[in-house]
Amino acid sequence: EAGVTQSPTHLIKTRGQQATLRCSPISGHTSVYWYQQALGLGLQFLLWYDEGEERNRGNFPPRFSGRQFPNYSSELNVNALELEDSALYLCASSLDRGQSEKLFFGSGTQLSVL
Amino acid sequence: AQKVTQAQTEISVVEKEDVTLDCVYETRDTTYYLFWYKQPPSGELVFLIRRNSFDEQNEISGRYSWNFQKSTSSFNFTITASQVVDSAVYFCALSENTGNQFYFGTGTSLTVIP
Repeated sequence: EAGVTQSPTHLIKTRGQQATLRCSPISGHTSVYWYQQALGLGLQFLLWYDEGEERNRGNFPPRFSGRQFPNYSSELNVNALELEDSALYLCASSLDRGQSEKLFFGSGTQLSVL
Repeated sequence: AQKVTQAQTEISVVEKEDVTLDCVYETRDTTYYLFWYKQPPSGELVFLIRRNSFDEQNEISGRYSWNFQKSTSSFNFTITASQVVDSAVYFCALSENTGNQFYFGTGTSLTVIP
């Protein structure tokens, strides 16, 4: 069974550009989470999607947005890129919503903003 | 304020030594879940354990053991007879009753020296 897949693996952009990151959850998983992992800051919660709806959002500016498609895959968009957006972006999925669910993570997209 | 604190940023041990990774959490919920995840160099976080707030029984899984103490809000992780393959970043996480937001600590980077 395929795990959580993310694309691209690496992405290089310049300041002011837009970045689009993609995530395919494990088959049957309806919840998708996005996290930002910047150096020394651990995982910072960005967004949670479930059944096509945005259910929760972390403390990030509106230029971080996303969506979940009918097949439960998800896209994270970052507009007007800033240097401090350089980080590893991790996507995770879970079988169901609920605070007890364990998360299955992808290998991430390394975004570099120059 | 950090909901999950992992005070140890980096730890180095020699192979076969025991090592304990500390995790202190903060919540006002009576129902919550605690997790440990391992992030090897490949980047993909791997689930290790989940514990709910009503189950303070310690758990052992092979060389891994977890000590949950509500009185000190701690959920520590011990690796016995460490091996080189244990080298990774370990994250402790907290899930509260609302919002499906998983709070991660900043991680502890463990290096096991052969």
